[in-house]
Amino acid sequence: GENVEQHPSTLSVQEGDSAVIKCTYSDSASNYFPWYKQELGKGPQLIIDIRSNVGEKKDQRIAVTLNKTAKHFSLHITETQPEDSAVYFCAATSWGWGKLQFGAGTQVVVTP
Amino acid sequence: DADVTQTPRNRITKTGKRIMLECSQTKGHDRMYWYRQDPGLGLQLIYYSFDVKDINKGEISDGYSVSRQAQAKFSLSLESAIPNQTALYFCATSSDSTQETQYFGPGTRLLVL
Repeated sequence: GENVEQHPSTLSVQEGDSAVIKCTYSDSASNYFPWYKQELGKGPQLIIDIRSNVGEKKDQRIAVTLNKTAKHFSLHITETQPEDSAVYFCAATSWGWGKLQFGAGTQVVVTP
Repeated sequence: DADVTQTPRNRITKTGKRIMLECSQTKGHDRMYWYRQDPGLGLQLIYYSFDVKDINKGEISDGYSVSRQAQAKFSLSLESAIPNQTALYFCATSSDSTQETQYFGPGTRLLVL
C-alpha cells in the first residue's frame, strides 16, 4: 500500500519568511495529493490539492509542486503570517480509491 | 451551515469500559470515516463506510467497532477501552462526486485511565 513520509516534523519561521514542507510517496499509482491544515482544537481542513497531470498549483500565498518522477510533492507558504501557525498534513491516494494516506504532520510556528 | 459534528468533544474513561463516540453530518455525503490522531503519527484510518450498507476496516481497526445507523450517522465504539487508545479521534465525510476531498469534524479527545 501507499506510504507517505513528511518532513520536517516541526518548522519555525519568522513572520514574512517562506515555509516549505516536503512529502514523499511510495505508490506510483497515486495521482491525487491534498494538503490539510489543522488549527488548534479543530479538525483538518483542505487548503490546496494537486493532481498528477499538473506540476504546480497556486492559491494566493500557498502553492504546491509535484515531481512525479521523484515521487515527492511540496507545500510552499510565502509571506507567512501568525495565522499560518498550525499543523499541516500531506496526503496521497489514487483518485477513485476513496481513502487517503496521510503523512505524520508538520507543526508550523510563525513567530512575530 | 452543513457540518460534521462529533459528541462528546472530550471524554475520560477507565480501562475496560465500553464507550461510544458519535458522528453526525448534515452535508448529505454518503461516505464517512473514522480516524485516530496520535502525536507524530498523523491520521490513521480506523473504519470507513461508503454507504449505509458498506462498512470496511481501515489500517488500525483492532479494538474498535462501528455502526452506520443512517446516511448521516456513523458511530465508533471501544468495546473494552485500554490506555493506548488514548488519542484524538476524528470523523470525516466525503461525497461520491468529490470523493477524496474529506471534511472533518472537530474531534473527540479521549483519555483512558
